[in-house]
Amino acid sequence: DSGVTQTPKHLITATGQRVTLRCSPRSGDLSVYWYQQSLDQGLQFLIQYYNGEERAKGNILERFSAQQFPDLHSELNLSSLELGDSALYFCASSSGSQFSYNEQFFGPGTRLTVL
Amino acid sequence: DQQVKQNSPSLSVQEGRISILNCDYTNSMFDYFLWYKKYPAEGPTFLISISSIKDKNEDGRFTVFLNKSAKHLSLHIVPSQPGDSAVYFCAAPLYNFGNEKLTFGTGTRLTIIP
Repeated sequence: DSGVTQTPKHLITATGQRVTLRCSPRSGDLSVYWYQQSLDQGLQFLIQYYNGEERAKGNILERFSAQQFPDLHSELNLSSLELGDSALYFCASSSGSQFSYNEQFFGPGTRLTVL
Repeated sequence: DQQVKQNSPSLSVQEGRISILNCDYTNSMFDYFLWYKKYPAEGPTFLISISSIKDKNEDGRFTVFLNKSAKHLSLHIVPSQPGDSAVYFCAAPLYNFGNEKLTFGTGTRLTIIP
């Protein structure tokens, strides 16, 4: 158990809809990261938040947005869903030290299926 | 642009033998590398890492080798055990004062045959 929790575990929805994925980081971690893993693909970095502020951005679609709240949990919002958005979405957290690479601890993921 | 590549999608190894998983990278800015292990229905878990100032790092049955000139790293597992059956991802971060992007390879599914 990494200490990172994600809800829901599974999500099935229709094209055009909007969903919200939730992540609670490990206790004490300030950084939260979101990744997308499509079928037979590696994990693609989407976005990083640190203590409520956006820190780094990957190839995140404009239809996707994220935020980190004062209690440090994060939400990833996916809108106008398309079939190709079906994937596993992972959240990770780290301490967020600014002076070295921080090991990232991953949650169990949310499996999104768009029908 | 796949900056971290794992060209073998799958690998089968007899229990007790050595498993060798390979990874290539293209970005010369990478100076730290990690291997993650992933079981079904779980998130990736950190396995072992190596800094570019080293060419080898060992942790129990797991050893990672780095060849900077070839931009190649490999993970050796010896002896291989059934519990090692999982998907292994090679990854490299780009980090700068807390801004971090972790780039993953596509993974290699390792199956240990009893």
